[in-house]
Amino acid sequence: AQSVTQLDSQVPVFEEAPVELRCNYSSSVSVYLFWYVQYPNQGLQLLLKYLSGSTLVKGINGFEAEFNKSQTSFHLRKPSVHISDTAEYFCAATRSGGYQKVTFGTGTKLQVIP
Amino acid sequence: EPEVTQTPSHQVTQMGQEVILRCVPISNHLYFYWYRQILGQKVEFLVSFYNNEISEKSEIFDDQFSVERPDGSNFTLKIRSTKLEDSAMYFCASSATTEGSSPLHFGNGTRLTVT
Repeated sequence: AQSVTQLDSQVPVFEEAPVELRCNYSSSVSVYLFWYVQYPNQGLQLLLKYLSGSTLVKGINGFEAEFNKSQTSFHLRKPSVHISDTAEYFCAATRSGGYQKVTFGTGTKLQVIP
Repeated sequence: EPEVTQTPSHQVTQMGQEVILRCVPISNHLYFYWYRQILGQKVEFLVSFYNNEISEKSEIFDDQFSVERPDGSNFTLKIRSTKLEDSAMYFCASSATTEGSSPLHFGNGTRLTVT
């Protein structure tokens, strides 16, 4: 089984500042990693995913994440945030190879301050 | 882009009543899921469904819960006798395959409030 940890429940950041949302995972098998975003009163939207290959993955809305196997991390970054990025962000993992039960982290609320 | 749609967006029910949450997955997807998110907590897997049967379920998905694909488009979650602790946001999702590389597409959720 895998687990996903997001240590920061809330991250306030000023508009146009950079942000990093942290995610660590643990698994005894290879995993695929995802970041989802949830805007207020909406569902979960996929931001980006890591399957294999390049450890730096780029997603929508200018976000990117880096897979670090030695540190078992998959932190999400954006160099300059907008007000519209205010949302909750969920890191998630699923076992690679024919398995779809996704394990989510507890989420990080990103609050962009004007 | 095709979407997963869920109805209703909000449902209020009294404890002990039955509720049915409805979902229309993306039309060419074959795998369907229900997740739930209790307020302030993480999104939790409930059940996965393929070829008209449950392929996996969590310990949360007890005998009070059932799922059904009554026709070619709908996918429903029934809670037979609701409890206060069933209050949560319920998300339906679908995927084209069960490969972990095939991301889930989520609906906007149904907020269930049990009073």
